[in-house]
Amino acid sequence: GQQLNQSPQSMFIQEGEDVSMNCTSSSIFNTWLWYKQEPGEGPVLLIALYKAGELTSNGRLTAQFGITRKDSFLNISASIPSDVGIYFCAGYTQGGSEKLVFGKGMKLTVNP
Amino acid sequence: EAGVAQSPRYKIIEKRQSVAFWCNPISGHATLYWYQQILGQGPKLLIQFQNNGVVDDSQLPKDRFSAERLKGVDSTLKIQPAKLEDSAVYLCASSRATGAGRILGKKLFFGSGTQLSVL
Repeated sequence: GQQLNQSPQSMFIQEGEDVSMNCTSSSIFNTWLWYKQEPGEGPVLLIALYKAGELTSNGRLTAQFGITRKDSFLNISASIPSDVGIYFCAGYTQGGSEKLVFGKGMKLTVNP
Repeated sequence: EAGVAQSPRYKIIEKRQSVAFWCNPISGHATLYWYQQILGQGPKLLIQFQNNGVVDDSQLPKDRFSAERLKGVDSTLKIQPAKLEDSAVYLCASSRATGAGRILGKKLFFGSGTQLSVL
């Protein structure tokens, strides 16, 4: 099946630092979604990207849909303790029966 | 707007027992999904409903898993009999109909999940 490679797998940063994470695939995706999941909760949608090259912001979060349509990245600026959680990329494959595929997640720890 | 509701939050059973999970999607969302999330992994789609019809159940282990959405609203997912490897969080999600408003239909909203432990 389709696989998304998400990196890094985990990060430990200090409050106030910026953090970047990315997601790559060997297949073309026509939509990228970024989710955040906190312990004991379901994933919450952060940003959705629909066009190659699209750059979208949501507060301190910025995400881009790669031009090759095989990658996406998410940046968090000026991190705060409540940014702690697991960040997942997810994408819809192009054509045919569209299915949302998730990466394995990136665990973010923010030290106050 | 109320979110996706799931129950129970936690369930502990012994292997070979049966278990059922319930989901109530966001009002007006025609598409409902069941995902399995094993510890340390991203969610994996088990089954997708559009109203009360199955759109995709290709990754559902049909020898032991079943799901239904009889009236196009609530849904139940059942495992019978359970195996140790079924221990996971079972997430329900919903979205607007994918046909009308493709972009809106691609935004999935998740419930808090049911954490299943099979001993």
